Amino acid sequence: AQSVTQPDIHITVSEGASLELRCNYSYGATPYLFWYVQSPGQGLQLLLKYFSGDTLVQGIKGFEAEFKRSQSSFNLRKPSVHWSDAAEYFCAVGGRGSGGSNYKLTFGKGTLLTVNP
Amino acid sequence: DAGVTQSPTHLIKTRGQQVTLRCSPKSGHDTVSWYQQALGQGPQFIFQYYEEEERQRGNFPDRFSGHQFPNYSSELNVNALLLGDSALYLCASSLITGGSSPLHFGNGTRLTVT
Repeated sequence: AQSVTQPDIHITVSEGASLELRCNYSYGATPYLFWYVQSPGQGLQLLLKYFSGDTLVQGIKGFEAEFKRSQSSFNLRKPSVHWSDAAEYFCAVGGRGSGGSNYKLTFGKGTLLTVNP
Repeated sequence: DAGVTQSPTHLIKTRGQQVTLRCSPKSGHDTVSWYQQALGQGPQFIFQYYEEEERQRGNFPDRFSGHQFPNYSSELNVNALLLGDSALYLCASSLITGGSSPLHFGNGTRLTVT
């Protein structure tokens, strides 16, 4: 069974500080990995994705994440946080679909990011 | 290019009633998945539709059913509503032949069961 753990429920950083959100996953094969962001009352916006290839992936809004197979991790980073980054962040894992199906995602419980001025 | 659209945005129902939620996928997408997001939780996979058939299903009871139409739009139906069904219901679309096509999510339907 696939699962995702986001160890930090809530993180507070100062504007301009660096950020790292942790994500550990469990998946029996090569995973597809994603980070989504959700603002209050909104749907999910894709920040970045990993399917294969280079383990350091770049996303939108200056975010990046690194896939470390040996640690089953896919941590999200940003060198300098902006006040507009305050939101909830979800890590998700999926795998290649089969039999006429596409992949399904298993999400972590999310990390709420607060940015202090 | 319209993204994933869901209707209605908010809905209030009473226990025991039935509800239908609607989703139009992003243009060019052929696969629709539904997720339930309870307050303070991550989304949970309900089921996925492709070619008008349910292709995968998560751990949800038969009270949850769906449909996909020839134009790829989809409906989620929930019968005999329970208080615990109160949640944000998210629709996501993708392109099945894309292999590595990411899911695009709508803004969701907030269902409140009283």
